[in-house]
Amino acid sequence: GAVVSQHPSRVICKSGTSVKIECRSLDFQATTMFWYRQFPKQSLMLMATSNEGSKATYEQGVEKDKFLINHASLTLSTLTVTSAHPEDSSFYICSAVVRSGSANYGYTFGSGTRLTVV
Amino acid sequence: RKEVEQDPGPFNVPEGATVAFNCTYSNSASQSFFWYRQDCRKEPKLLMSVYSSGNEDGRFTAQLNRASQYISLLIRDSKLSDSATYLCVVNRPDSSYKLIFGSGTRLLVRP
Repeated sequence: GAVVSQHPSRVICKSGTSVKIECRSLDFQATTMFWYRQFPKQSLMLMATSNEGSKATYEQGVEKDKFLINHASLTLSTLTVTSAHPEDSSFYICSAVVRSGSANYGYTFGSGTRLTVV
Repeated sequence: RKEVEQDPGPFNVPEGATVAFNCTYSNSASQSFFWYRQDCRKEPKLLMSVYSSGNEDGRFTAQLNRASQYISLLIRDSKLSDSATYLCVVNRPDSSYKLIFGSGTRLLVRP
């Protein structure tokens, strides 16, 4: 089945530093990747949608200059949290749309990255 | 009002019990509905899609009531391994690919 590999699984960084999270599609081409954030006991909140070869689209309230998304190839999308602060500590998950045929599609999720900013 | 609302639980049930979760969604234009399961500190995994006619997959049965904008999940003969958080998920009407997640209902199955 379609697999998305997400790294790192866990990262601790100091305030003010930047952290890059990678999601790679291993056996399919991911033209669209969604990036979510999940705070404890809350739902997954969509942050942005990345499309290969074009600029990402951000959800309302998500700072595009703080959460840099790059989707330079059909198998790799990255999220960089710049100048991280403790309130950015969260669980970040990517999800790719997997298409089978012209009308059928599903989703596959990365295993998530737990970011702790100290 | 939240776009997708669920009772957070937890539902604490003995093995073998039948348990039902409910979910309501706010936008009547949503067309795709899912139940996902999420284990602690893990990514969500698709449990089942929900179809208008209702559908069953082993011990799991999902129902959709479009008129009431209500989705349900029934788990029969609960197993210890069913302990998890169950997420109700609907698509965003402005984009068929974008999903809206409920905050989940936690299930604890005890021996």
